[in-house]
Amino acid sequence: EAGVAQSPRYKIIEKRQSVAFWCNPISGHATLYWYQQILGQGPKLLIQFQNNGVVDDSQLPKDRFSAERLKGVDSTLKIQPAKLEDSAVYLCASSYSGFYNEQFFGPGTRLTVL
Amino acid sequence: AQSVTQLGSHVSVSEGALVLLRCNYSSSVPPYLFWYVQYPNQGLQLLLKYTTGATLVKGINGFEAEFKKSETSFHLTKPSAHMSDAAEYFCAVLETSGSRLTFGEGTQLTVNP
Repeated sequence: EAGVAQSPRYKIIEKRQSVAFWCNPISGHATLYWYQQILGQGPKLLIQFQNNGVVDDSQLPKDRFSAERLKGVDSTLKIQPAKLEDSAVYLCASSYSGFYNEQFFGPGTRLTVL
Repeated sequence: AQSVTQLGSHVSVSEGALVLLRCNYSSSVPPYLFWYVQYPNQGLQLLLKYTTGATLVKGINGFEAEFKKSETSFHLTKPSAHMSDAAEYFCAVLETSGSRLTFGEGTQLTVNP
């Protein structure tokens, strides 16, 4: 069974530039999550999708971050414009349905903002 | 709101020694509790979880954890450390309402030969 795929693995941009991350969850998983993991900290949930609907985006900085999951499968997370403090690893995870099922994590995208 | 405290951001043990990673949580109701492991440049992998029932939970790679309600703790142990156990370990708590998974700040485990 293929795992959660993410691309790119690494990205370096300058502040005020835009960046997008892509995630393809495990086939059949209805729930998709984006986490931000700042160096030295645990992952923090940014947004949770159930199929193509948003369940929780309370911790997403909506003035600069956006995410979509149009067909209920893969998802894109965008930052526009990026700030220095956005430097982090962005993890995508998926589960069969909801939090009570195990979340499977992708390898993450390491973003460096200069 | 839920919170998780992992005591010790870095733990170092010798190969073959006991591994003990500490986790305390705050919750008004018994939560679901998890331990995840993260190897360098990889995503998180579930080691074990407590939901209900038996308070001693066994996971993969010889790890186990015990839920102690009176101490609000969920410490992770392994009797004998192996070099391959070197990684970062995260404790996480989920409210039984299922709203959000909250992670601790992680403990980096080093295993010395």
